[in-house]
Amino acid sequence: QQQVKQSPQSLIVQKGGISIINCAYENTAFDYFPWYQQFPGKGPALLIAIRPDVSEKKEGRFTISFNKSAKQFSLHIMDSQPGDSATYFCAASSLSNDYKLSFGAGTTVTVRA
Amino acid sequence: KAGVTQTPRYLIKTRGQQVTLSCSPISGHRSVSWYQQTPGQGLQFLFEYFSETQRNKGNFPGRFSGRQFSNSRSEMNVSTLELGDSALYLCASSLEVFEQFFGPGTRLTVL
Repeated sequence: QQQVKQSPQSLIVQKGGISIINCAYENTAFDYFPWYQQFPGKGPALLIAIRPDVSEKKEGRFTISFNKSAKQFSLHIMDSQPGDSATYFCAASSLSNDYKLSFGAGTTVTVRA
Repeated sequence: KAGVTQTPRYLIKTRGQQVTLSCSPISGHRSVSWYQQTPGQGLQFLFEYFSETQRNKGNFPGRFSGRQFSNSRSEMNVSTLELGDSALYLCASSLEVFEQFFGPGTRLTVL
């Protein structure tokens, strides 16, 4: 049973466009929501993370939007660049409970030049 | 500061054998978690260690085990390998309980 549902499975965006990836969760005990970026042959790299006490967090071209009542969060990649082509994973964990990260299935983003 | 290192990077084994994978966390990090990544199941949590104690375990059979040493280095062991154990095994370390930093993984192929 996947605790975090991620969509879309893949997306193609033109250089300079906006990539949007959505995730939904059911477990209300989750209180930490990171996003990871993974390139082929590499381990996932922490991109940005949010706690439920804020609705939005921005770091450079990457923004997380969080909707606690809907139990949804999303990653926006602004001004997408070819170097952003990678697989993105959302995740969730309960920092006060079991620490483990539950991952979404991943979204493969392809940025066309 | 050096990142998480995992050895070996690639491994080929045959069914029925056992394997030991090693992980060295970022200096100062005391928590080490292990994950299995496959195309079909995605990233799945195996177990987490903190100060040599297993604090949490995922839904994997007992053939999967691990341990952590006093220097925070960790090993995981898979006994009686099955074809389905072929995967990328990832180790992640963290200072406390969040911001897990992943290593490059060990690619295990079971023939």
